Amino acid sequence: EAQVTQNPRYLITVTGKKLTVTCSQNMNHEYMSWYRQDPGLGLRQIYYSMNVEVTDKGDVPEGYKVSRKEKRNFPLILESPSPNQTSLYFCASTRQAGTDTQYFGPGTRLTVL
Amino acid sequence: GQQLNQSPQSMFIQEGEDVSMNCTSSSIFNTWLWYKQDPGEGPVLLIALYKAGELTSNGRLTAQFGITRKDSFLNISASIPSDVGIYFCAGRLSQGAGSYQLTFGKGTKLSVIP
Repeated sequence: EAQVTQNPRYLITVTGKKLTVTCSQNMNHEYMSWYRQDPGLGLRQIYYSMNVEVTDKGDVPEGYKVSRKEKRNFPLILESPSPNQTSLYFCASTRQAGTDTQYFGPGTRLTVL
Repeated sequence: GQQLNQSPQSMFIQEGEDVSMNCTSSSIFNTWLWYKQDPGEGPVLLIALYKAGELTSNGRLTAQFGITRKDSFLNISASIPSDVGIYFCAGRLSQGAGSYQLTFGKGTKLSVIP
């Protein structure tokens, strides 16, 4: 089954404790991205990757890092989480940059205390 | 970056009623997309629009790409309880640097009263 998976689905952590949210897709997609969703703000792009080893900042990259060492995986790293990063995070993948069917993962709800 | 204004923010409607929502942009877009997000899940693409004036349907859903290329509309006819969710518009300007990025509206939360 074609899908995007994220782990963990829920996470409660404390300020400053490094964490990684994993994202994996099994569709051989080139383009992957991370979004955060906050009430009243919709979806905002954090980082995106056009292909392996190619990443770039989205609209709200501060406080986040990503890597794309393999085509299928695109982890989101919070080196020193802060409470304002409490949010619902979505990973998404698309066959190629510019194609429209963007497949979203199920989301990761992060709470930073 | 580009700004998308989506309205209304939320709607409560009776089952069977028609629904309309829209998005307006401060910039011209070459592509308009409409997504639906069910509770607890990620957004799913409903309709994609590529040409100014284009009108596209997907079952009870109809979306239009505005003539000015700065707006788009989504209509749902004869709403049913499973239409409940958050509907997002998204636009893309397919030219120049950053052209692959989508800009999302803030969403319209739809509630259907049986």
